[in-house]
Amino acid sequence: AQSVTQLDSQVPVFEEAPVELRCNYSSSVSVYLFWYVQYPNQGLQLLLKYLSGSTLVKGINGFEAEFNKSQTSFHLRKPSVHISDTAEYFCAVSGRGSQGNLIFGKGTKLSVKP
Amino acid sequence: GAGVSQSPSNKVTEKGKDVELRCDPISGHTALYWYRQSLGQGLEFLIYFQGNSAPDKSGLPSDRFSAERTGGSVSTLTIQRTQQEDSAVYLCASSYRMAGGYNEQFFGPGTRLTVL
Repeated sequence: AQSVTQLDSQVPVFEEAPVELRCNYSSSVSVYLFWYVQYPNQGLQLLLKYLSGSTLVKGINGFEAEFNKSQTSFHLRKPSVHISDTAEYFCAVSGRGSQGNLIFGKGTKLSVKP
Repeated sequence: GAGVSQSPSNKVTEKGKDVELRCDPISGHTALYWYRQSLGQGLEFLIYFQGNSAPDKSGLPSDRFSAERTGGSVSTLTIQRTQQEDSAVYLCASSYRMAGGYNEQFFGPGTRLTVL
């Protein structure tokens, strides 16, 4: 079984500042790791994913995340945020070779202030 | 092409009534997932369909919940005798499932269910 912990439920930040959204996971098997974004009143959109290979993955809208196996973490970062990045961000895992259902964290609400 | 669609977008019902939520996956996608997004529980997996195989119902919270997928395409999630704790956004996702690998799930916009 897998579980995901997002350490911050809300993160306020000023425009053009850097941001890091933290995610830790627990699993007895190897996993794929994901970050999804949900803009207000919209569905879930895949931001980036880690499947294998390089531990630093880049996604859409300038976001990147780093897989750290020893710390079982997959933190999301952006060097300079925009007002339009205001959204809720979900970290998720699925077991390799599983049927693919996603286990999500509780989400982090990112609020970018001018 | 067309994405995953769900209907209705909003549903308000009275406690004790039955509701049906519909999901139209992306054409050709063999795998279909239902999730629930609620304030208290976050995003939870409910049920998984793959082709003609028996569904994985392990995430369904009670026997009031059921789902079917007709002809390997459209899926209906049914909640009987709705309770206020069933109020949530119900999300559907589909993917082109190949064994042993990763296949991206594409999410629909969801159905917001409110039980009064």
